[in-house]
Amino acid sequence: EVDLLESGGGLVQPGGSLRLSCAASGFTFSSYAMTWVRQAPGKGLEWVSTISGSGGTRYYADSVKGRFTVSRDSSQNTLYLHMSSLRAEDTAIYYCAKEAPGTTSSLDYWGQGTLVTVSS
Amino acid sequence: DIRVTQAPSSLSASVGDRVTITCRTSQTINTYLDWYQQKPGKAPKLLIFAASNLQSGVPSRFSGSGSGTDFTLTISSLQPDDFATYYCQQTYSPPRTFGQGTRVEI
Repeated sequence: EVDLLESGGGLVQPGGSLRLSCAASGFTFSSYAMTWVRQAPGKGLEWVSTISGSGGTRYYADSVKGRFTVSRDSSQNTLYLHMSSLRAEDTAIYYCAKEAPGTTSSLDYWGQGTLVTVSS
Repeated sequence: DIRVTQAPSSLSASVGDRVTITCRTSQTINTYLDWYQQKPGKAPKLLIFAASNLQSGVPSRFSGSGSGTDFTLTISSLQPDDFATYYCQQTYSPPRTFGQGTRVEI
């Protein structure tokens, strides 16, 4: 059974840094692209970043480009999101999600999310 | 970037009603569009992928249609478990933008 478990969220001051982790199990981690999606309190979903199965291709939303870095460690079956220069508008629940087999990039499994709060 | 416009932002419906939600994209995306359902405090759940394909385990009352720039999610007979917020997402090219969401309430 596929399971995704995020961790690393918490309270951080503006300008600070944080690293989120997503521990994956139940599938061949290196075979699937992975995505981070966030949701600000009371707001809609925002796609943040996607990394290919090999880690060789990475995409970012303009709102986080240059500040966030997505990476993965297939030996640990773990996805990461390194966040720096954090702003109040980065406050959100951050979800990791697995892409479905095939070519559609649909997100077939999601974690439960981890809350990041950027505030002084 | 591809803009995704979802409508309506909210709707009121009753059990048994037929419900339709639409998404329009600013560029043609073939059928690279997915639909998700989200309930309060929970992660989104994939309902429909590639515009019209029902995800495994999703009830057949959900259906999707469309291609190019105009897409529709239909719930043929609304059930109590369907009261939630629905999002579309284009996966044609990054950034893989979501629609603004449609809240379906009683």
